[in-house]
This record gives sequence, C-alpha cells and structure tokens, in this order.
Amino acid sequence: DAGVTQSPTHLIKTRGQHVTLRCSPISGHKSVSWYQQVLGQGPQFIFQYYEKEERGRGNFPDRFSARQFPNYSSELNVNALLLGDSALYLCASSVGGAGAETQYFGPGTRLLVL
Amino acid sequence: GQNIDQPTEMTATEGAIVQINCTYQTSGFNGLFWYQQHAGEAPTFLSYNVLDGLEEKGRFSSFLSRSKGYSYLLLKELQMKDSASYLCAVRDLREYGGATNKLIFGTGTLLAVQP
Repeated sequence: DAGVTQSPTHLIKTRGQHVTLRCSPISGHKSVSWYQQVLGQGPQFIFQYYEKEERGRGNFPDRFSARQFPNYSSELNVNALLLGDSALYLCASSVGGAGAETQYFGPGTRLLVL
Repeated sequence: GQNIDQPTEMTATEGAIVQINCTYQTSGFNGLFWYQQHAGEAPTFLSYNVLDGLEEKGRFSSFLSRSKGYSYLLLKELQMKDSASYLCAVRDLREYGGATNKLIFGTGTLLAVQP
C-alpha cells in the first residue's frame, strides 16, 4: 500500500514568492496535518484538517494557509516567503482527526528560500 | 505551556543497549510517541504509550511514567542502521479542546552507533 506522498520533493524560491505544497494521505485516512521542521529541531505543528475542515492551527503567521479536498488530499500555501521559511515541510495522515491516533509522515518537501 | 526535553546527542556501540530519555510538561497529557528519523528523511513511527508501563516491540521498547512526566526509549542489540535522530512527541488534550491530534515534538536525540 502506498504511504503518504508529497510533492515536490525539493523546491527553491526567492523571498516574496509564493509556494504551494501538496500531500496525499494514506488510503482510508481522513486527516492530514502539516508540520515545519527546521534543521536540528523537531517538527512544529502548522495545521490539521479533518473531513475538509480545519481542526487546529499552530503558531504560524497568516501567510500560511491550507485546505483539504474531497479526496482528502491537502495543499499548504505560503505567501510572501521569508528566508526563515526554509525548512522541511512534513505532511502526516491519520485515520481520524482526534484521539491519540498514530500519524504517519510523508517524505517531506525541502524548501529553500533565497 | 508545554516543554519536552531530550538529550541532544548520544553515542553507543554496535550490539549494545542504549536508553534515550524524554521528560515532558503538559497540561493535558494524552499519549506519548517515539519516532525515528534518518537524516533527510521523514519521521517513522516506533512506539506509543498512553498508560504507565513498558511497551515492547522487537528490539525497541518504550516506557512511560505519567506521574513523573518521563519516558524512555530502549534500543537493544544496536545496529549501525539505528544511527538516526529519535524524536519524542506528546499529544496535549488541552490544545483545541482535544479536537485535534496535534503532536508536540522535542528537538530529537541524535544517536550515533559506532562499530
């Protein structure tokens, strides 16, 4: 069975640009969460979506937005990119949206902002 | 608020046993996860504890004491491929009223296994 997939794998942008990252969850999973991982740190929660509704938002500015589609795939959008947005962006899926369910991570998108 | 502490780095020898500790402070604890992350790759699920005690899964075991806010991951019969970062993560029910399964991660423990 396919795991969580993300695209693109790598991306280079310049300051001020906009970026869209994509995630497809494991088949049967209805929840997608996004995390940002800066080098040498643990992942930081950005968003969670369940059944196309936002369930939670981390401490990130409004430049970050996301959505979930009817097929449960998701997009993370970041506007007005800053150098500090350079990081590995991880998508994780789980069956449901609450409870201490195991989240399974995709390979990530490595974003470099110049 | 929440706080999760792990050692930054550890070194161990192939074939040995290593214990990676994690302490946490959360207002609404609802489960602790351990993930393994090789350099440049995504975190991979290792174990989950919500009740006190030891959970064993092959060469890996994880222990939880909720009263002490303490967990450890035990790796036995270390292999070179176990060289990776080990992430401790907790779920806090106080976040969004329990409506999410948001994980709060520590900074990770980088384990180097030497021959």
